Amino acid sequence: SQQGEEDPQALSIQEGENATMNCSYKTSINNLQWYRQNSGRGLVHLILIRSNEREKHSGRLRVTLDTSKKSSSLLITASRAADTASYFCATDLPLNDYKLSFGAGTTVTVRA
Amino acid sequence: DVKVTQSSRYLVKRTGEKVFLECVQDMDHENMFWYRQDPGLGLRLIYFSYDVKMKEKGDIPEGYSVSREKKERFSLILESASTNQTSMYLCASSRIGGLGIYEQYFGPGTRLTVT
Repeated sequence: SQQGEEDPQALSIQEGENATMNCSYKTSINNLQWYRQNSGRGLVHLILIRSNEREKHSGRLRVTLDTSKKSSSLLITASRAADTASYFCATDLPLNDYKLSFGAGTTVTVRA
Repeated sequence: DVKVTQSSRYLVKRTGEKVFLECVQDMDHENMFWYRQDPGLGLRLIYFSYDVKMKEKGDIPEGYSVSREKKERFSLILESASTNQTSMYLCASSRIGGLGIYEQYFGPGTRLTVT
């Protein structure tokens, strides 16, 4: 059962522009994570934000979390060609510390 | 650096064959996971294991089984491969702790084609 849904499904931007994608989820969470997947490869963890945090930064990434709206956003600033990838949000599931539920992802293309 | 390796990047099998996908992690993680990834559906959990010889079904366990005889190794078994099991298979591992869930570390994936 998928908890998270990313929006938009696909995004195309020019190098140097910012990219923003959103994730909405259905039930309360303890943590929300963002992952990146380059074409045909495994996922790489980008950032984890806990339910008592509102914003977190890591390099050119900024993640926000609004638990009242059950939504999160990932902002990539000053995008580069290497940022071309699919981005997934993942949430933990109620009463289950082990498992994550992943959304279907946002595919980002950065044009040179 | 955590390293999760999978036995094959690409695999082609015939319908009805028994298929083994192997995953090894080198960071002494307690949890290990098998997912399949299909376009438009994201990652779906097949099985996970939180300790040696312990396993729990995920969202789509039908047609699959798993084995975890050693902490570092988690195997996914397709007892009788079918064409609808053609997919990308991803293995992951994570540690557990008092703060709850931690990030998962993924292998490079195995793209399985069943003909």
